[in-house]
Amino acid sequence: GNSVTQMEGPVTLSEEAFLTINCTYTATGYPSLFWYVQYPGEGLQLLLKATKADDKGSNKGFEATYRKETTSFHLEKGSVQVSDSAVYFCALRKYNFNKFYFGSGTKLNVKP
Amino acid sequence: EAGVTQFPSHSVIEKGQTVTLRCDPISGHDNLYWYRRVMGKEIKFLLHFVKESKQDESGMPNNRFLAERTGGTYSTLKVQPAELEDSGVYFCASRPSGGAKSTDTQYFGPGTRLTVL
Repeated sequence: GNSVTQMEGPVTLSEEAFLTINCTYTATGYPSLFWYVQYPGEGLQLLLKATKADDKGSNKGFEATYRKETTSFHLEKGSVQVSDSAVYFCALRKYNFNKFYFGSGTKLNVKP
Repeated sequence: EAGVTQFPSHSVIEKGQTVTLRCDPISGHDNLYWYRRVMGKEIKFLLHFVKESKQDESGMPNNRFLAERTGGTYSTLKVQPAELEDSGVYFCASRPSGGAKSTDTQYFGPGTRLTVL
């Protein structure tokens, strides 16, 4: 079946630290991969996505590379800010199958 | 352009009562999805509408849940009767029809937090 596994949180970092949130997936075929973010009190927002192997999605200093050989899509940021504190969800979607499969979310706390 | 809106933002009801959640998708979006996140776990798909038709309802947990989208605009999700395990955050998302694989993003609403006591 299709599933997404991401590291459990919460992750607590100091401002300007390097961030990695691990995400691995199980799927047949060639899914598209996504990172969504939910800031406190808000809805899910698309952070970045990649639609094929070796693609790199990037936005707001965050990056993730679609690695088919390791079935991974790890989220990274070189220097986190307090404003990055949120819950991050990794997700996959198979083409022509509309629904998303989400991970359980990773809460990030960034301290000043 | 207004985003996906959901109402109410929070609902607290007692076990056995009925609750109706509403979702207004982005104007012109034919595709509408319902998801829910229970107890801090993964967000799970419930169902998918294309206009007023149910395209995929494989994620609906049981027959206590009824989703409608009359007229192909807004959608409602009714839970009757509500049980304790229905507590969670219910998200709605929408997407326009067509488009390439690289552009077909779902836009999510803020969610409705349902608490069943």
